[in-house]
Amino acid sequence: EAQVTQNPRYLITVTGKKLTVTCSQNMNHEYMSWYRQDPGLGLRQIYYSMNVEVTDKGDVPEGYKVSRKEKRNFPLILESPSPNQTSLYFCASSPLSGRRIEKLFFGSGTQLSVL
Amino acid sequence: AQSVAQPEDQVNVAEGNPLTVKCTYSVSGNPYLFWYVQYPNRGLQFLLKYITGDNLVKGSYGFEAEFNKSQTSFHLKKPSALVSDSALYFCAVRDSNNAGNMLTFGGGTRLMVKP
Repeated sequence: EAQVTQNPRYLITVTGKKLTVTCSQNMNHEYMSWYRQDPGLGLRQIYYSMNVEVTDKGDVPEGYKVSRKEKRNFPLILESPSPNQTSLYFCASSPLSGRRIEKLFFGSGTQLSVL
Repeated sequence: AQSVAQPEDQVNVAEGNPLTVKCTYSVSGNPYLFWYVQYPNRGLQFLLKYITGDNLVKGSYGFEAEFNKSQTSFHLKKPSALVSDSALYFCAVRDSNNAGNMLTFGGGTRLMVKP
């Protein structure tokens, strides 16, 4: 089954403790992206990647890191989480037509709470 | 800069009645427009997209959207609402002049369909 898999589904942590949220897709998509969803703000893009070893900042990259060493994986790293990073996070992938996003496929989300 | 607005936080409609969820956008080039739906505790699912061509785009689950260039709008419509259509709907845009590949999402509109 074609899917985007995020783990974990729920995560509670404390300020300053490094964490990684994993994302994997099995559709051979070039494009992958991370979003955070906050009430009233919709989805805001954190980072995206057009292909292996190619990553770019989105609207709200501060406090986050990503890597794209393999096509299927795009982990989100919070080196020193803070309470304002408490949010619902989504990973997404898409095939590209030229440089154009065709259709985003989303993971089920990771609810992160930073105490 | 690209932006998108969903002016209504919530839309209420009776089952069987037509529904409209509004979206307006701002871009400097040509718009690539998308609608996504989010059911409770799920990731977003693609409904439809406009890239070029016919102004009326048909999508999943009986939804359609009308692209109006003069009004810079891309409203989502359905002739007859179902209770199961109740969900959170997001409009998204990418500017063809955007050298990157960022998709900007609106804040979301909650659709409530009452029996």
